[in-house]
Amino acid sequence: EVQLVESGGGLVQPGRSLKLSCAASGFTFSNYYMAWVRQAPKKGLEWVATISTSGSRTYYPDSVKGRFTISRDNAKSSLYLQMNSLKSEDTATYYCARLAYYFDYWGQGVMVTVSS
Amino acid sequence: DIVMTQTPSSQAVSAGEKVTMSCKSSQSLLYSENKKNYLAWYQQKPGQSPKLLISWASTRESGVPDRFIGSGSGTDFTLTISSVQAEDLAVYYCEQYYDTPLTFGSGTKLEIK
Repeated sequence: EVQLVESGGGLVQPGRSLKLSCAASGFTFSNYYMAWVRQAPKKGLEWVATISTSGSRTYYPDSVKGRFTISRDNAKSSLYLQMNSLKSEDTATYYCARLAYYFDYWGQGVMVTVSS
Repeated sequence: DIVMTQTPSSQAVSAGEKVTMSCKSSQSLLYSENKKNYLAWYQQKPGQSPKLLISWASTRESGVPDRFIGSGSGTDFTLTISSVQAEDLAVYYCEQYYDTPLTFGSGTKLEIK
């Protein structure tokens, strides 16, 4: 059974940093592209980042480019999202998702609140 | 960026009724080389994470009831629930994976009368 379990969320002040983690199990992690998707409170879904199987290629929308960094450790079957220079508009639930072109499995999500 | 427009934003139906919801993209999602539409549908029930229902515009995922039907091509897509059940209460999102940035529609909230 595919499982994706996020951690690392919490309350952080504007301008500060936070790092999210996602522990994957139930599949061969190194064979899949992975991604982060977020959802602001009562809002829709927004793609945040994608990483290739080896980690050599990463992709971001303009809204987070230069501030967020996605990475992975295939030996640990883990995905990460380093978030710097956080803004209030980054407040959201962050989901780790497996990519098979589309997002075929999602984690339960972790809440990040950016507020002073 | 490819803009995904979903209508209606919400609708209320009675159990057993048929419901359709629309998703339109600002450019074609049909890749000419493989004749596939790069369009997925997700279901998000209250308090849960999204779940993949349909990929490639019309391919139902394993375990998804056959009352969920995806159709359409190019820029116009439809999700039909042939006979709505109470457990179908959710927000339904379409997503294009034809190009980055990957983009979602704003969702259709399905309410059960």
